[in-house]
Amino acid sequence: DIQMTQSPSSLSASVGDRVTITCRASQGISNYLAWYQQKPGKVPKLLIYAASTLQSGVPSRFSGSGSGTDFTLTISSLQPEDVATYYCQKYNSAPPFTFGPGTKVDIK
Amino acid sequence: QVQLVQSGAEVKKPGASVKVSCKASGYTFTSYYMHWVRQAPGQGLEWMGIINPSGGSTSYAQKFQGRVTMTRDTSTSTVYMELSSLRSEDTAVYYCARDGSPGIAVAGTLTSWGQGTLVTVSS
Repeated sequence: DIQMTQSPSSLSASVGDRVTITCRASQGISNYLAWYQQKPGKVPKLLIYAASTLQSGVPSRFSGSGSGTDFTLTISSLQPEDVATYYCQKYNSAPPFTFGPGTKVDIK
Repeated sequence: QVQLVQSGAEVKKPGASVKVSCKASGYTFTSYYMHWVRQAPGQGLEWMGIINPSGGSTSYAQKFQGRVTMTRDTSTSTVYMELSSLRSEDTAVYYCARDGSPGIAVAGTLTSWGQGTLVTVSS
């Protein structure tokens, strides 16, 4: 099975900072990569699919990029409401649709 | 609007089984695959498996093969996830989540989620 890794595991940044999270697949997955946001005590929410397509209603400060094995989620200007754990997920071909271990984002 | 309403919290003893339900509304139930994902306390998301509500076919993560059974009832638009031989490590919130694309092919993205069901395994 394809394994997913994320870095860093956690980060702390100031409001307005640019934040970048990296996700890596153990094998190439083309652009079959999604990002989810899970706020504390809440249900996960799909942010981005196909590596770079924003789900409807997601603020434009979120963006995704990458293809193959290396992917990035960027928050261009961190807001207090962005405090959450962010997970990548691969969904190419058949199951399993594995999640990365998550990156916790806090405000400094 | 899409709604997925899950059954309430459960407390089970080691070795027992648990069956969690997920009732769907707001869309054509048989048109979208349904995933199950769990999250242990303070841990990340773990994909468990998927069911096609139309034909009932399933695919499970290898970790859960032999212990998990996913079924559906089209008359009530409900999917079920049963996990057997429970151990303390199965203590988690279990989510159902609808697949992102209608039709015969699985998209793999999870666009709508249930509220989660806490299953506690304790002697």
